[in-house]
Formats: sequence, structure tokens, C-alpha cells
Amino acid sequence: EPEVTQTPSHQVTQMGQEVILRCVPISNHLYFYWYRQILGQKVEFLVSFYNNEISEKSEIFDDQFSVERPDGSNFTLKIRSTKLEDSAMYFCASGQGRAYGYTFGSGTRLTVV
Amino acid sequence: AQKVTQAQTEISVVEKEDVTLDCVYETRDTTYYLFWYKQPPSGELVFLIRRNSFDEQNEISGRYSWNFQKSTSSFNFTITASQVVDSAVYFCALFTGGGNKLTFGTGTQLKVEL
Repeated sequence: EPEVTQTPSHQVTQMGQEVILRCVPISNHLYFYWYRQILGQKVEFLVSFYNNEISEKSEIFDDQFSVERPDGSNFTLKIRSTKLEDSAMYFCASGQGRAYGYTFGSGTRLTVV
Repeated sequence: AQKVTQAQTEISVVEKEDVTLDCVYETRDTTYYLFWYKQPPSGELVFLIRRNSFDEQNEISGRYSWNFQKSTSSFNFTITASQVVDSAVYFCALFTGGGNKLTFGTGTQLKVEL
């Protein structure tokens, strides 16, 4: 069964450093998403991406965040200058249409120290 | 604005008991979709079911069943004859036509003990 692949599974970074989280969505999907889950809390929407541009973003997704689909297969989330509160599990998801079931990746656990 | 409420923070049951996880949602949209996801201790999100707002038929899949009631804005999830492997956090989520995102509830931690 097709799956969404996220790398790395765990990343530790120092506060103020830039990180790039990588995702390979399912190949025929058109919609791409990033969600975040702070430990023990609910899953929160960050950003959606369609047709090579952001279609919606949350208030969490400020200027420190950016997304890119550089080569037609990868979908990346960049955090320019990480803060301690960015520590969370980051999930990538992709979907065929706006309301079809989304397939989530297994997540990247980001720890900012 | 959309909102999903899962009032049960944690439920503990003994194996083979039936358990129902509650989900109440709020939206002004007439077209929307409801989802349930399972998050085992390993952390990934596993898709369980999607239901659209026009289909109020209940659904059964093995030991899992879902009860969708628009009149009470609820989409409850029942596990019959629970097993230890069912131990996980279960999230209910809402997708509406007005936005392109899932709104998650806070999750219910289910612990199934021997």
C-alpha cells in the first residue's frame, strides 16, 4: 500500500538553528499538508499546499516557517530559527482531493535543545 | 469556526469489554467529513474511517463500529470485545468545505488491560 515517507524520524537541534523536515507524499496525490503535535496534545494544522502554492496556513505558521516542493516528489518544511517551543512531532500528509482520507506519514520528532 | 470535542481524556477497560469513544463536533457548514484516527504508542496516525455529512448510516468494520447522529452532532466510535492491541490515543477530526484542513479533537487515551 502506498505510504507517505518522512525523514528523519527524530532530529535534535540547537535553539536558533535551521531545520528542514522532509516528506515524500504519495505520487498521485495533489494536496499536501503539515501538522504538528506537541507532546501529549492534539494534532494541529500548520499549512496546506496545492498547485505549488500555499492554500491555507494557521496562525502557528509564521515567518519562521516555509514549505517547498522542490522537485515534484519531495515536500519540505523549513523552520528558520528554531525555538524551544518548536519541539513537537511533525506530520506530513497527502491526499487526492480535499475531502478524501488523508494519508499521514509516521512523523518526525523534533527536539530543540 | 469548526470545533471537535472529545470529552473523555482517558478510558481504562479490561480486555473483552466493549468501549465507546465520544466525539461531538461543531460546524456551520452543511457539507463536512468526519474522521477517526488511531495513534498507537509508536506515534503514527492510522486512518480508521471517513464519513460525509450526507451519509448517516452507521458503519461496522470487524470489532469497530461508528454511530453518526447529525441531530446531536456526534460521531461516536465503539470497539467491541476490546483487546490490548487497541490501547492507543484515538482522535476524531472534522473537515469542512470552507477550509482545506482537518480540525482534530484533543484525543481519548484508551488503555485496555488484561
